[in-house]
Amino acid sequence: ETGVTQSPTHLIKTRGQQVTLRCSSQSGHNTVSWYQQALGQGPQFIFQYYREEENGRGNFPPRFSGLQFPNYSSELNVNALELDDSALYLCASSSLLVGGYNEQFFGPGTRLTVL
Amino acid sequence: AQKITQTQPGMFVQEKEAVTLDCTYDTSDPSYGLFWYKQPSSGEMIFLIYQGSYDQQNATEGRYSLNFQKARKSANLVISASQLGDSAMYFCAIQIGFGNEKLTFGTGTRLTIIP
Repeated sequence: ETGVTQSPTHLIKTRGQQVTLRCSSQSGHNTVSWYQQALGQGPQFIFQYYREEENGRGNFPPRFSGLQFPNYSSELNVNALELDDSALYLCASSSLLVGGYNEQFFGPGTRLTVL
Repeated sequence: AQKITQTQPGMFVQEKEAVTLDCTYDTSDPSYGLFWYKQPSSGEMIFLIYQGSYDQQNATEGRYSLNFQKARKSANLVISASQLGDSAMYFCAIQIGFGNEKLTFGTGTRLTIIP
């Protein structure tokens, strides 16, 4: 069973640029969530995709957008990068259960630095 | 809105001793799930244990147990017989309702095991 993978591992961008982060879900999972973790903080929920549709969004501006593909892999796109976007971006996959809770499996994250 | 509070920024514990990491939560929803995750320096979030709001018994997973006190809205993690490999950040998180994978995390506790 392949776990959640993310690419790239590290990324350096400058203010105003755009970035795309990628996530490959664990086999059999239909839901992917993205989190932003600033230094010294807990992860903050950005949004979630279920079967290619956005299924919930946190308090992030529209310049944070995403996609989920038919194979359930996902992308996080951030436009007009700001210095405060520097963080570890975590992807988590799961099989959405209606009427229950289940473990989310996290990837190793992409560390984004905005200069 | 739901909230997780972890009041211990850092803890130092002697190897082989038990350790309790505190977590309190705030939600008005009667249906929720509580999770604990471990985050080593590599960045990946590792699931440790889960407790549902309707579960009558405290959850246990190997050396991990969750001391769930619903009336006090606390969900403390207990690690028995601590090991050097337990040194990491530990996050408590809550998920509200069913069919919603959003996790709200606390700010974490950095646990250091001393040989």
